[in-house]
Amino acid sequence: EDQVTQSPEALRLQEGESSSLNCSYTVSGLRGLFWYRQDPGKGPEFLFTLYSAGEEKEKERLKATLTKKESFLHITAPKPEDSATYLCAVNYGGSQGNLIFGKGTKLSVKP
Amino acid sequence: GAVVSQHPSWVICKSGTSVKIECRSLDFQATTMFWYRQFPKQSLMLMATSNEGSKATYEQGVEKDKFLINHASLTLSTLTVTSAHPEDSSFYICSARTGETQYFGPGTRLLVL
Repeated sequence: EDQVTQSPEALRLQEGESSSLNCSYTVSGLRGLFWYRQDPGKGPEFLFTLYSAGEEKEKERLKATLTKKESFLHITAPKPEDSATYLCAVNYGGSQGNLIFGKGTKLSVKP
Repeated sequence: GAVVSQHPSWVICKSGTSVKIECRSLDFQATTMFWYRQFPKQSLMLMATSNEGSKATYEQGVEKDKFLINHASLTLSTLTVTSAHPEDSSFYICSARTGETQYFGPGTRLLVL
């Protein structure tokens, strides 16, 4: 069964304290791994797409990496405004581009 | 670019009434749109995949007669919750696909009294 698992469920950091979020997946035919940010009461905001092992992408304080079994979202020197739930999703190869979502990691950054 | 809008952003209705939610891709054309449902502290659950000009594909367990989806143009898909009941209260989010990426709307919060 195709699955996407995110850890930890919740993460509390002090401002400036770097850390990583994990997304492990078991799908047969990966056609892209996606990271989204979701603020309370809003729809997910697209961050990154990764397609192949070894690929890395960066945006401001965020860096996403991909291996054959997992992806990491590294947050460097986070700020309170980085507080949100970060969702990982995998396109498992369906022709429609269907995504399987993980349950997310809720990040809280304290000033 | 890649902006998706939803309307309304929230709606309160009486049990037994129908509610229509619109999803629009504002700056791109989307042959495929998706409808999700999200319960509090849960992740997104795909309800159906909507293709322009054809019938929607519903996920297992989603009642197609209750959640009517119409994808009339390359920029508009609608979800109608028919004969809504309190258990239909949820956060409904649409997305539109361009290339390999889905871009999400801001969501519609539905409360059925």
